Amino acid sequence: GAVVSQHPSRVICKSGTSVKIECRSLDFQATTMFWYRQFPKKSLMLMATSNEGSKATYEQGVEKDKFLINHASLTLSTLTVTSAHPEDSSFYICSARDLISGGRADTQYFGPGTRLTVL
Amino acid sequence: GDSVTQMEGPVTLSEEACLTINCTYTATGYPSLFWYVQYPGEGLQLLLKATKADDKGSNKGFEATYRKETTSFHLEKGSVQVSDSAVYFCALSDRGYSSASKIIFGSGTRLSIRP
Repeated sequence: GAVVSQHPSRVICKSGTSVKIECRSLDFQATTMFWYRQFPKKSLMLMATSNEGSKATYEQGVEKDKFLINHASLTLSTLTVTSAHPEDSSFYICSARDLISGGRADTQYFGPGTRLTVL
Repeated sequence: GDSVTQMEGPVTLSEEACLTINCTYTATGYPSLFWYVQYPGEGLQLLLKATKADDKGSNKGFEATYRKETTSFHLEKGSVQVSDSAVYFCALSDRGYSSASKIIFGSGTRLSIRP
């Protein structure tokens, strides 16, 4: 089955530093990757959609200069939280979609998530 | 816009009890409907899905039927186990098979099963 990995699974950083989170599709080509944020005991909030080789599309209210997304290849997308602050502490989840090998547009495969704690 | 509403939790049941978690949706098109499960400390896993009206999705003893007339997709299980303790998310794909489709999640329902 389709597998999506995220690295790191947990990261603790100091306020003001930048943190990069990687999302990889391990056995398929991800034409589209999605980045979500999950607050404690809350649902997933879509932050942005990234298509390989093009700029990410950010949801309303998400600062694109703070949450930098790069989708340079069909198997890797990265989310960089710049100048992190304690309020950025959250659980970040990526998902990936495969439209190349006959994958359905309504099917996303989710990574295990990355817990970010900003001190 | 499209949205998903599911019953608030937490829900606490005894082992072998019957489970129903209600979910209703609002959509302008013909969405696909999903239930995702998030076990403690893990990421989301697709539990089951249905892509058109009257379809029934099923997996691991869980079932949900796509009811267009009531715009509902309630999750049911006849006999829950302690291992079913998790957070359950109802969701829809807002533009069907379009490449622009996104998944919209409900707020999640935390389920705890007592031995």
